[in-house]
Amino acid sequence: ETGVTQSPTHLIKTRGQQVTLRCSSQSGHNTVSWYQQALGQGPQFIFQYYREEENGRGNFPPRFSGLQFPNYSSELNVNALELDDSALYLCASSPDEWGKAFFGQGTRLTVV
Amino acid sequence: AQSVTQLDSQVPVFEEAPVELRCNYSSSVSVYLFWYVQYPNQGLQLLLKYLSGSTLVESINGFEAEFNKSQTSFHLRKPSVHISDTAEYFCAAITGANNLFFGTGTRLTVIP
Repeated sequence: ETGVTQSPTHLIKTRGQQVTLRCSSQSGHNTVSWYQQALGQGPQFIFQYYREEENGRGNFPPRFSGLQFPNYSSELNVNALELDDSALYLCASSPDEWGKAFFGQGTRLTVV
Repeated sequence: AQSVTQLDSQVPVFEEAPVELRCNYSSSVSVYLFWYVQYPNQGLQLLLKYLSGSTLVESINGFEAEFNKSQTSFHLRKPSVHISDTAEYFCAAITGANNLFFGTGTRLTVIP
């Protein structure tokens, strides 16, 4: 039990649609990171937020965006969905102590 | 640039036999290394990590890994595996920004 909850657990969307994935972090964890894990691959870093500000971004296009809220929840938004966006999306929350990350169970997104 | 390479995509091993999952990293700066385990349809769980100090780190379930700077390796070992160890194992690194860079994973299958 990591204390990080993601919703929904599964989701099916049509190409071109928009999707919002949600994450509830541990209380007191000021950092949240999002990762995309395609089938058979390792997780790829999308972006990170610290105290509601974007704090780093991986090699993902601008149609991937996020928000972090004061209540330790966060969102990942993806616009204009493409078939290749089908993946497991993982949220990780981290305390200010460096080198720790607690992962949620993930949201499995299928784009058809 | 940094990278993490897991040399074996799949490792089958008989129950109670030893196993080694290989991980090599490439980084021009100090690196901190992790092993995560992912059971089917679940998120990532931290197995062990090397941040500093002793180069041999251990997990509570019998796994260990040794940070070898000269060989740029962080191989994961267990002297005797159990059926319950069947899972996907990911090696990961942090450098600079506090986000994880993952390898492509090794699927460990323990055969009864």
